Amino acid sequence: GAVVSQHPSRVICKSGTSVKIECRSLDFQATTMFWYRQFPKQSLMLMATSNEGSKATYEQGVEKDKFLINHASLTLSTLTVTSAHPEDSSFYICSASAASGLAGAPTDTQYFGPGTRLTVL
Amino acid sequence: GNSVTQMEGPVTLSEEAFLTINCTYTATGYPSLFWYVQYPGEGLQLLLKATKADDKGSNKGFEATYRKETTSFHLEKGSVQVSDSAVYFCALRGAGGTSYGKLTFGQGTILTVHP
Repeated sequence: GAVVSQHPSRVICKSGTSVKIECRSLDFQATTMFWYRQFPKQSLMLMATSNEGSKATYEQGVEKDKFLINHASLTLSTLTVTSAHPEDSSFYICSASAASGLAGAPTDTQYFGPGTRLTVL
Repeated sequence: GNSVTQMEGPVTLSEEAFLTINCTYTATGYPSLFWYVQYPGEGLQLLLKATKADDKGSNKGFEATYRKETTSFHLEKGSVQVSDSAVYFCALRGAGGTSYGKLTFGQGTILTVHP
């Protein structure tokens, strides 16, 4: 259980184009999804947190107009990198946490997708 | 803010050797602690977790104990295998304030196990 998928796994695009990455929770309802960026041989950097049906909360220094996040359902969140440039090339990883109990609060475990390798030429 | 510090790698061991990867943290409140593993070309997988002081998380022969007095969560395995070669991340989940529910990761430790 608790499987998270991402699509595509790899994408190469030209500078100036937009790229959409999908993150799906396959066997549970994800009340909260997170988007991370991982540079080579470095740790994960949280970009934003999204709750189903509401606007994403971005971390300091992350441009919300460049990295558009939509969490329209309990099983799907999308990250769109708009007007991509070579410096946006990175490994993007999503994670999801499920609601727990009657309160609906997110559980403390995040389940990660396999990541999307974005290369902007 | 919250932070996690892992021992620097890379760590290279022979098969069946004992493994320790140190992890210490700084956080307000009572965070939950995690170890994640990332195999080459893959996303992160939860390895084990502990949610309160003195809890021991364990999985696949790995274990770690939540030590509040030393703010540590060191990862150990008694006998590593070649298949354990991966990057290991220590992480904490914020317990309150603006960091509530967010994971803060250590820098990762690359483990290579030779036959």
